[in-house]
Amino acid sequence: QVQLVESGGGVVQPGRSLRLSCAASGFSFRTYTMHWVRQAPGKGLEWVAVISSDGSSKFFADSVKGRFTISRDNSKNTMYLQMNSLKLDDTAVYYCARESIPYGSDAVFDYWGQGTLVTVSS
Amino acid sequence: DIVMTQSPDSLAVSLGERATINCKSSQSVFFTSNNKNYLAWYQQKPGQPPKLLIFGSSIRESGVPDRFSGSGSGTDFTLTISSLQAEDVAVYYCQQYYSTPYTFGQGTKLEIK
Repeated sequence: QVQLVESGGGVVQPGRSLRLSCAASGFSFRTYTMHWVRQAPGKGLEWVAVISSDGSSKFFADSVKGRFTISRDNSKNTMYLQMNSLKLDDTAVYYCARESIPYGSDAVFDYWGQGTLVTVSS
Repeated sequence: DIVMTQSPDSLAVSLGERATINCKSSQSVFFTSNNKNYLAWYQQKPGQPPKLLIFGSSIRESGVPDRFSGSGSGTDFTLTISSLQAEDVAVYYCQQYYSTPYTFGQGTKLEIK
């Protein structure tokens, strides 16, 4: 069965960095575009970033552009989110999510991980 | 950016009754070349990740009960639960995937009256 497991969250001071991982299993990871979506405590969903199946195409929300990078290692079935210059507003549960169609271009998310909490606090 | 606005923010419906949630986009999410609306609906229960219910405005995801239906085109969309069950208590989000940044509505909290 499809599984997405995020890790790497924790408490970090403003201005510091953190790297999140999303380990995938149960499907052909290298054929799917993958996304990060976050949710601040008690708030709604905010799309963060996307990476194409081969890693060649990446897009970011304006709120994280220039601070966050997204990457993947298809040999390890893992996606990453490198978060630099963290701000208080980056505090959220970070979910990785899979697009519903392999090699597709429709950002419909059919599988989500359970999320990892990032808390930015001094 | 395309702004997604849901109404109402919260909704209380009796068991067995119909629940209707609206979603409006600030610009059309209908792509004329393929006749598709790039609009999805998700359900999120407390402590859980979102679950995909509907995509393409009206296509039910596999395994989703048929009491859930989606409709609408262009800028105005509706999620309908035909007969509310206790397990449907959740927050519901619409999402456009027409263009980046992909954006969600603010959410509608559905409760039992």
